[in-house]
Amino acid sequence: DQQVKQNSPSLSVQEGRISILNCDYTNSMFDYFLWYKKYPAEGPTFLISISSIKDKNEDGRFTVFLNKSAKHLSLHIVPSQPGDSAVYFCAGAERSGNTPLVFGKGTRLSVIA
Amino acid sequence: ETGVTQSPTHLIKTRGQQVTLRCSSQSGHNTVSWYQQALGQGPQFIFQYYREEENGRGNFPPRFSGLQFPNYSSELNVNALELDDSALYLCASSSWTRAETQYFGPGTRLLVL
Repeated sequence: DQQVKQNSPSLSVQEGRISILNCDYTNSMFDYFLWYKKYPAEGPTFLISISSIKDKNEDGRFTVFLNKSAKHLSLHIVPSQPGDSAVYFCAGAERSGNTPLVFGKGTRLSVIA
Repeated sequence: ETGVTQSPTHLIKTRGQQVTLRCSSQSGHNTVSWYQQALGQGPQFIFQYYREEENGRGNFPPRFSGLQFPNYSSELNVNALELDDSALYLCASSSWTRAETQYFGPGTRLLVL
């Protein structure tokens, strides 16, 4: 029972273009969502988050959009850079004291120069 | 400000052995969560520690146990190792008041032969 799904295992984008990574969730109790970036041999690095009371959050080149009715969120990276090449994980959480993050399987982004 | 650190970085054990993995939380964080990431999967929640007590557990058997110390550092112990325990073990720290935003260490890669 996958509560968080990232249906695209991989994505290739040219440098300077937009990267769009998608994530779907099934647990209606999730009220907080996060994106992490992971390079090989490193732990996941927190990128950006969004609360369910918002539909958009922006931080520099990264923007996360949340569509609660569709239980869908997406991460936009503009412009994409070769250093953005990594595996991106989407995670959902219930905003309570003992909040385990529930992760998707990840999408490998390759930004081609 | 120091980030989350984990030791060792790599470990090889044989089936039936026991292993202890260690984690130091980021300064100012009092909550530690452990995750297991198998190849090609997203991190899976094992358990969380706050105030030196287990505070939430995922779908892992009792042979996975942990400790948290007064300085908020933590240990993950796995008894009777099985081949399927081979994975990357990630520690994440957070503050109790913002437990949903977790910061990860680099992980310990465990190989069980």
